Amino acid sequence: GQQLNQSPQSMFIQEGEDVSMNCTSSSIFNTWLWYKQEPGEGPVLLIALYKAGELTSNGRLTAQFGITRKDSFLNISASIPSDVGIYFCAGQRGTTDSWGKLQFGAGTQVVVTP
Amino acid sequence: DTAVSQTPKYLVTQMGNDKSIKCEQNLGHDTMYWYKQDSKKFLKIMFSYNNKELIINETVPNRFSPKSPDKAHLNLHINSLELGDSAVYFCASSPSTVNQPQHFGDGTRLSIL
Repeated sequence: GQQLNQSPQSMFIQEGEDVSMNCTSSSIFNTWLWYKQEPGEGPVLLIALYKAGELTSNGRLTAQFGITRKDSFLNISASIPSDVGIYFCAGQRGTTDSWGKLQFGAGTQVVVTP
Repeated sequence: DTAVSQTPKYLVTQMGNDKSIKCEQNLGHDTMYWYKQDSKKFLKIMFSYNNKELIINETVPNRFSPKSPDKAHLNLHINSLELGDSAVYFCASSPSTVNQPQHFGDGTRLSIL
């Protein structure tokens, strides 16, 4: 079946550094979403991307929808301790037969040290 | 004013029991989902309902039975619980099924003894 490959699996960074993570797929998606999950909570939507090539920012976060529609990346600039968490990419084919089914990546665990 | 709320947050029970998890959303969304997150944090969709109609059933054992009494509620009943059912179960909702971001509840951590 479809698989999303998310990398890296984990990152240990110092406060103030930039973080990059990406997702690739063997299939084309019409929507890419990036979520953050903190312990004991559900995934929280960070950025939604709907068009190939789209570059969208949300504060210190920037995400891009790859031109091939098979990949996306997320950047976090000038990381701070509260950026700690697991970041998930998710893709949606966006066709009526997929019925909103989201495919999730395995997550990137981000740890920020002061 | 929680958008997607699930109860209970924690559920500890013995193998073989039957249990239910409830979910409610006050976002006015038409579509609701159940996801399972395993111990490696992998999220996988189980079911989806659109306007009370089941539209996704991802080869989940029939011990799991979702029910949607109205479009703001989606409950999950699990019969004859097994050790492998231990996981965090997340409810989510979206305005519709196509090209819409999904909003998640805080999860129900199910532990089977």
